[in-house]
Amino acid sequence: NAGVTQTPKFQVLKTGQSMTLQCAQDMNHNSMYWYRQDPGMGLRLIYYSASEGTTDKGEVPNGYNVSRLNKREFSLRLESAAPSQTSVYFCASSGVGGGASTDTQYFGPGTRLTVL
Amino acid sequence: AQSVAQPEDQVNVAEGNPLTVKCTYSVSGNPYLFWYVQYPNRGLQFLLKYITGDNLVKGSYGFEAEFNKSQTSFHLKKPSALVSDSALYFCAVRDWSGGNTPLVFGKGTRLSVIA
Repeated sequence: NAGVTQTPKFQVLKTGQSMTLQCAQDMNHNSMYWYRQDPGMGLRLIYYSASEGTTDKGEVPNGYNVSRLNKREFSLRLESAAPSQTSVYFCASSGVGGGASTDTQYFGPGTRLTVL
Repeated sequence: AQSVAQPEDQVNVAEGNPLTVKCTYSVSGNPYLFWYVQYPNRGLQFLLKYITGDNLVKGSYGFEAEFNKSQTSFHLKKPSALVSDSALYFCAVRDWSGGNTPLVFGKGTRLSVIA
């Protein structure tokens, strides 16, 4: 039971390049989330998927797209990377069954992205 | 809208002394409150949560948190700090009506336990 896994662990891009961050969970969770972490800013929500087939914008969605590929996988795509997207990206999941406000979110190990 | 404030960016405490990391929240309904810890170059690990019932919640690694509705606070505490407790701590909230919506996080408090 690996929990939440993310690939890659590290990535360096040049401005304008594109890439996809992958996230998978094996806990049969319904909901999945993408956050970014920047010094002094805490965790900010980029996008989330409350259930398979749905996605919603979070606090900082500009410059990103997401795909909920199936119940297990939720990817984050940067179409044209910018230096402002240099950050650590975390995927999380929660909610077995119908989901509830009391459900705990579980986090992956993160992807450290640098855009030059 | 939900929000969380962690008023201290940094907390320093001597090993063996009690520690407190502060958190206040704002929600429209009843809150569900969470504490997470992040060690260097790692993801966030769940410590404990308050849903309902006893205002004192016990969690992992000897940590506990006290829910105070009148002060809208959920401070994290430990009776005797260890050097290994040094990490970044995040408080998070979701209100009762949110379903399985994303948690809203504070900016984090860095705890440094000095030997």
